[in-house]
Amino acid sequence: QKEVEQNSGPLSVPEGAIASLNCTYSDRGSQSFFWYRQYSGKSPELIMFIYSNGDKEDGRFTAQLNKASQYVSLLIRDSQPSDSATYLCAVNIGGDMRFGAGTRLTVKP
Amino acid sequence: GAGVSQSPSNKVTEKGKDVELRCDPISGHTALYWYRQSLGQGLEFLIYFQGNSAPDKSGLPSDRFSAERTGGSVSTLTIQRTQQEDSAVYLCASSLARSAAYGELFFGEGSRLTVL
Repeated sequence: QKEVEQNSGPLSVPEGAIASLNCTYSDRGSQSFFWYRQYSGKSPELIMFIYSNGDKEDGRFTAQLNKASQYVSLLIRDSQPSDSATYLCAVNIGGDMRFGAGTRLTVKP
Repeated sequence: GAGVSQSPSNKVTEKGKDVELRCDPISGHTALYWYRQSLGQGLEFLIYFQGNSAPDKSGLPSDRFSAERTGGSVSTLTIQRTQQEDSAVYLCASSLARSAAYGELFFGEGSRLTVL
């Protein structure tokens, strides 16, 4: 089992819709969870982080964490074409930051 | 500089040659990570430095790969006797948090390595 797993996609949503990105992780001791966005040919950039169970909202983005289920998700409301990118889930495992393979999102105008 | 600096940005080498990739983290950041990203793939963890502690080398794919971090700042990733499968973008990232469990990573622009 991989340490961090994501559906590779591609995920395609129409402009204005909600995009839902999911991630599971294997290490129950993980303490912090991150979502990074990576545009084609660019380096990853941090969108959100979450440490506690529940929801965390920042503008159009909501991160959800369920430690019991070892599951973290990212919701993007009112999706825009500029949100088209690969979204990487990252989990801090004892100081090591491990990434999922990423989900490619396309938002169609 | 304000961000993580990596050099060279592009490197083309012949199979069997050695290469060195350099990373200059954000000033004051104690944690430094190296990742490898092949075309269309996710980030593969290579090595992690935290302060003066022994590095976590568990991600290095073979003994041809090594890395060091001098003075707790600049890091060099060395690949000996390069192979074509080493072709990838090598990303360096640094983090401020001394409690590494909560560190947010800031990435450099990467070094694109092509082995002919």
